[in-house]
Amino acid sequence: ETGVTQTPRHLVMGMTNKKSLKCEQHLGHNAMYWYKQSAKKPLELMFVYNFKEQTENNSVPSRFSPECPNSSHLFLHLHTLQPEDSALYLCASRDISGSNEKLFFGSGTQLSVL
Amino acid sequence: SQQGEEDPQALSIQEGENATMNCSYKTSINNLQWYRQNSGRGLVHLILIRSNEREKHSGRLRVTLDTSKKSSSLLITASRAADTASYFCATGLLSGGATNKLIFGTGTLLAVQP
Repeated sequence: ETGVTQTPRHLVMGMTNKKSLKCEQHLGHNAMYWYKQSAKKPLELMFVYNFKEQTENNSVPSRFSPECPNSSHLFLHLHTLQPEDSALYLCASRDISGSNEKLFFGSGTQLSVL
Repeated sequence: SQQGEEDPQALSIQEGENATMNCSYKTSINNLQWYRQNSGRGLVHLILIRSNEREKHSGRLRVTLDTSKKSSSLLITASRAADTASYFCATGLLSGGATNKLIFGTGTLLAVQP
């Protein structure tokens, strides 16, 4: 248990659906991240939030919409996805105010787009 | 182009043997971290080495960093079947004087045969 919880663990959706991924961290961290992991590709950084403010959008298509209502919660809203968006979506958090620079990851949401 | 690349892509060894994985990167870094991922799960931080350090140990792990060659290696000694996982290096990039994001490599899939 890393202190970062992602729900749901698995999600199957059609291309016309709208769904949301949720991430919650219980570590008191102030930075949260979304990464995408596709088969045989490096982890792709999607979004970074520091103190609830988005500081990084790595050219992610607008069909992915992040939301960070507070430092403990991070959402990824999905709409009109494509089959190539099928992947493991990983949330991570860390404390950027200290010297500890390691990320704590959730178990991920395995997304399949049909 | 990706920041980090691990070599080899896959490694199969017998229990008790040592496993060495290498990571090369392209740009200047603040630190380099190694993570482990069991199949379909999130990543777990193993060890961090700063750009002004050359070697670091943690239990059965030994990490080296050569900033002149922009490369790092992870050595796992006396491997166990439970070490079977994917291993990723991640480079911490400076932004505004602090590490703002981690860029991951492609990973090495390690299989330890009992």
